[in-house]
Amino acid sequence: KAGVTQTPRYLIKTRGQQVTLSCSPISGHRSVSWYQQTPGQGLQFLFEYFSETQRNKGNFPGRFSGRQFSNSRSEMNVSTLELGDSALYLCASSLESLSTEAFFGQGTRLTVV
Amino acid sequence: AQKITQTQPGMFVQEKEAVTLDCTYDTSDPSYGLFWYKQPSSGEMIFLIYQGSYDQQNATEGRYSLNFQKARKSANLVISASQLGDSAMYFCAMRPSSTFGRGTSLIVHP
Repeated sequence: KAGVTQTPRYLIKTRGQQVTLSCSPISGHRSVSWYQQTPGQGLQFLFEYFSETQRNKGNFPGRFSGRQFSNSRSEMNVSTLELGDSALYLCASSLESLSTEAFFGQGTRLTVV
Repeated sequence: AQKITQTQPGMFVQEKEAVTLDCTYDTSDPSYGLFWYKQPSSGEMIFLIYQGSYDQQNATEGRYSLNFQKARKSANLVISASQLGDSAMYFCAMRPSSTFGRGTSLIVHP
């Protein structure tokens, strides 16, 4: 059974640009959550999608958005990149919205220069 | 709002000994879940154990057990018989808010 796949693994962008990150959950999982991890702020919840609907949202500006497709794959978009957006972005998949287990991908390391 | 506090930034343990990683939480929700994850230097988060707020017994998964004290709002992770491969960051987390603690770095000495 394939795990959670995040692409790309590494990304370098310039301030002001936008970026799209992709997450393919485990087959059969319908919930996808996104997190930002930085040394300063730790792990912070961005949002959760379940069956193509955003179920929960963390405290991030509107520059951070996401969507989920009918096959449960999810994308996260960050517009007008700032230096502070440099982080490891982690995606987690679960069977249901409040499952007792979540499986994480290896993350996308975004560097904004 | 839900909050997770991990007060130990770093812990050291001798191989084969047991170690307890602390986690306290705060929530006004009567129904919640508590999780522990391990993050090795490779970066991926590995699910270890889950405890539901209504679970009567402490969760156990192999060498991992969760010491759940609801009245004290604590959910400490106990790792028995530590192994060198247990060296990693450990995070306590909570649902439904998906709040994570700042983590504890565990180093296992041979």
